[in-house]
Formats: sequence, C-alpha cells, structure tokens
Amino acid sequence: AQSVAQPEDQVNVAEGNPLTVKCTYSVSGNPYLFWYVQYPNRGLQFLLKYITGDNLVKGSYGFEAEFNKSQTSFHLKKPSAIVSDSALYFCAVRPPSGAGSYQLTFGKGTKLSVIP
Amino acid sequence: NAGVTQTPKFQVLKTGQSMTLQCAQDMNHEYMSWYRQDPGMGLRLIHYSVGAGITDQGEVPNGYNVSRSTTEDFPLRLLSAAPSQTSVYFCASSYGGTSFSEQFFGPGTRLTVL
Repeated sequence: AQSVAQPEDQVNVAEGNPLTVKCTYSVSGNPYLFWYVQYPNRGLQFLLKYITGDNLVKGSYGFEAEFNKSQTSFHLKKPSAIVSDSALYFCAVRPPSGAGSYQLTFGKGTKLSVIP
Repeated sequence: NAGVTQTPKFQVLKTGQSMTLQCAQDMNHEYMSWYRQDPGMGLRLIHYSVGAGITDQGEVPNGYNVSRSTTEDFPLRLLSAAPSQTSVYFCASSYGGTSFSEQFFGPGTRLTVL
C-alpha cells in the first residue's frame, strides 16, 4: 500500500523568502505525485503533478516541485513567498497501475504561514 | 460549467439518524470519490467509483454506502449516524482511463453528529 509523509505540521516563512514544504512517499513502482492547496473553508485545489519526465515540475501560482527518486521525495517550493500563499498544503500519491491505481493517498497536510 | 457541487454545506444530525450527502459534476468525469477530512489526519478515502454502476471501498468505508446510477451523481449515504462521523466530507472527480489525471474537489459538507 502507498503512503505519504509530510514531516512538518506547520511551516512559517517571511514574505519574500523562499519556501519549501516537504513530502516523502512510499509506493510500488513509479509514482504519480500531486500537490493540492486548501484555503480556509474551501475544497482542495490542484497545484501541480509529476507523472514522468523532467524532475522539476512547474505549477500554478509560481509553485514548483522537485521529484527525487533516490530520496523518494517531492518537495514543494516557491522562490518568493507572499502572504496569500498562507494555506494548508497536501501532498498525494497514486500508484501507476494495478489494484488501487485510482486511489489517491494524501499526507496529513502542512500549514504554511507567510509572515508579512 | 459548475464543476463539482455538494449539498448541503452544513448539516447537524442526531445519533442514529440517516442522511444523504449529494455530489454532482458536470465535466463528464468517469471517476468520482468521497473523502473525509479530520484534523491532523489529512483526507481519507471512503468510497470511489470508476464509472456508472461501479463502486468500491476505500480506506474508511464502514458506516457509509454509495451508488452510481449516472455519470453525474455520486451520493454518499450515512445509514445510522454516529459521533465518530463528525467530519468535513469532500467529493472529487477526475477523468478516467488514466490514473494520472488530477482530481477536482467540491466545496465540502461540514457534518456534525450529536
């Protein structure tokens, strides 16, 4: 069975500084990896995904993520944080095929606070 | 194009009551799913469907039933509500056929069981 770990419950960063939200995963085979963001009292919004190819994936709102197969990580990054980036961020993984391949497994989420 | 819609937005039930949470999508997505979100636990999959007439259990299916009679609708039924089912429920949908399609989420239903 697949699993996702987000080791930090909360990340604080000053506005204008770079931000990183960490994610590691466990899955059989090559993973499909996703990042979602949740603003207060809202549903989840898709940010970006890694399927195959270039290890650096660019997504919405200036976010990017780096896939590292040897470290089984998929950290979310942004060069310069803004206050409106403050939200709850979820990493998720899907196995590429077989039983459960439609099942998306989420991490527990990381609350990002950008301090003005 | 409304995307994924859920009703109601809020609901309070008494223990033992039943109810149905509605979910609909207008994107002709084959895959639909229900999650519950609890503090510190992320989202956990309850049930999912890969097409009309096909449903399967996720990680936490006990106490919930689903059916998928049309492509558009995927209701979640609580047969006899329990306080442990107090949670925020999200419905999601995505294109089928490939497992790398991102999911589109509804706005959620906040359920309290007293």
